[in-house]
Amino acid sequence: EIVLTQSPGTLSLSPGERATLSCRASQSVSSSYLAWYQQKPGQAPRLLIYGASSRATGIPDRFSGSGSGTDFTLTIGRLEPEDCAVYYCQQFGSSLTFGGGTKVEIK
Amino acid sequence: QVQVVQSGAEVEKPGASVKVSCKASGYIFSGYYFHWVRQAPGQGLEWMGWINPKSGATDYAQRFQGRVTMTRDTSINTAYMELSRLRSDDTAMYYCAGWAPGGTALDIWGQGTMVTVSS
Repeated sequence: EIVLTQSPGTLSLSPGERATLSCRASQSVSSSYLAWYQQKPGQAPRLLIYGASSRATGIPDRFSGSGSGTDFTLTIGRLEPEDCAVYYCQQFGSSLTFGGGTKVEIK
Repeated sequence: QVQVVQSGAEVEKPGASVKVSCKASGYIFSGYYFHWVRQAPGQGLEWMGWINPKSGATDYAQRFQGRVTMTRDTSINTAYMELSRLRSDDTAMYYCAGWAPGGTALDIWGQGTMVTVSS
């Protein structure tokens, strides 16, 4: 099973700042099957990024994804208050796994 | 608008079984794969498996093998997840999530079903 490790655990930034979230895989992952989700308190997760770098429908362009192999990054270009959430990466190879999540707090 | 609606909250005793439903609207049911993901209180997301509603084929995460059964009823566009021999650590929100044909991620999620296991 591929293990995804996300860092940092918590990110505390001010509105307008740039957030960089990391997702590292225990072995190489197909970029086609690397996704990022946003989960706000009391809500179901929402797809943000698929195929490592493609934004899902309706996702603002301040969200971007990059990476390949074992290292992937989600960047939030200019933080807005509504970006306060937990962000999960996910891969689908022989089985599907999620990272442990990064909590983004807005100061 | 593609929608997925899940059944309501459940409270079960240890050792019992629970069956959660996931109803899809419109044409998506026969095309999408439906995955089940759970989230214990204050914890992360854990994948349980998927079902292909068209064929009935399933694939389960190893840790749930022997305890989980995913089925579907195509006449009412509904997928089911049944978890048996419940333990207190099965207390969680259970989500069904759809994977579009040719897609590469879970692009539609149900609202979640809270399952509480308590004596």
